Amino acid sequence: AQSVTQPDIHITVSEGASLELRCNYSYGATPYLFWYVQSPGQGLQLLLKYFSGDTLVQGIKGFEAEFKRSQSSFNLRKPSVHWSDAAEYFCAVANQAGTALIFGKGTTLSVSS
Amino acid sequence: DTGVSQDPRHKITKRGQNVTFRCDPISEHNRLYWYRQTLGQGPEFLTYFQNEAQLEKSRLLSDRFSAERPKGSFSTLEIQRTEQGDSAMYLCAEIQGDTQYFGPGTRLTVL
Repeated sequence: AQSVTQPDIHITVSEGASLELRCNYSYGATPYLFWYVQSPGQGLQLLLKYFSGDTLVQGIKGFEAEFKRSQSSFNLRKPSVHWSDAAEYFCAVANQAGTALIFGKGTTLSVSS
Repeated sequence: DTGVSQDPRHKITKRGQNVTFRCDPISEHNRLYWYRQTLGQGPEFLTYFQNEAQLEKSRLLSDRFSAERPKGSFSTLEIQRTEQGDSAMYLCAEIQGDTQYFGPGTRLTVL
């Protein structure tokens, strides 16, 4: 069965420092992968997605993610974090039938000044 | 902003009461999804519709839960005889192309 693992429950980064959030997936075929961000009390906003092609994907708000098939990973990165980036981040993979998303448990990002 | 709207945004109810949530997608006839998100967890799939047809239901959707999408436009999710374990954020999503776009959610608290 497909699954998504986000190993880090909580990460704190200094403002201006770089960020990498880890995501590992379990999926037999080429996965459809997503990163969403959720601010407190809000719904999910799509940051970026990977379906095929270039393995380095650019998203909104300066985020990027790299698909590495050999490592079954889709890590999210940002070169310089802003205080407004503090939120919860979810990695997701589309299920085999393509009918639903399977989410990880999320990583909470705190930004210190 | 895809403009998926959900109503109400917050609902507090007593155990045993029935509640109904509504989701209004931007486009009619797109696939529409319901997810549940409990504290500290990612969203979990409940069910989805293609037009008015409910095509898949998760094991999480017990007999107390029912969802409808009359005429393939808005959708409702009803929970009967609510239990404290039903306390969660209920999220609606609409698919555009290959991507799901989410509404703001309805936070349910069962006392």
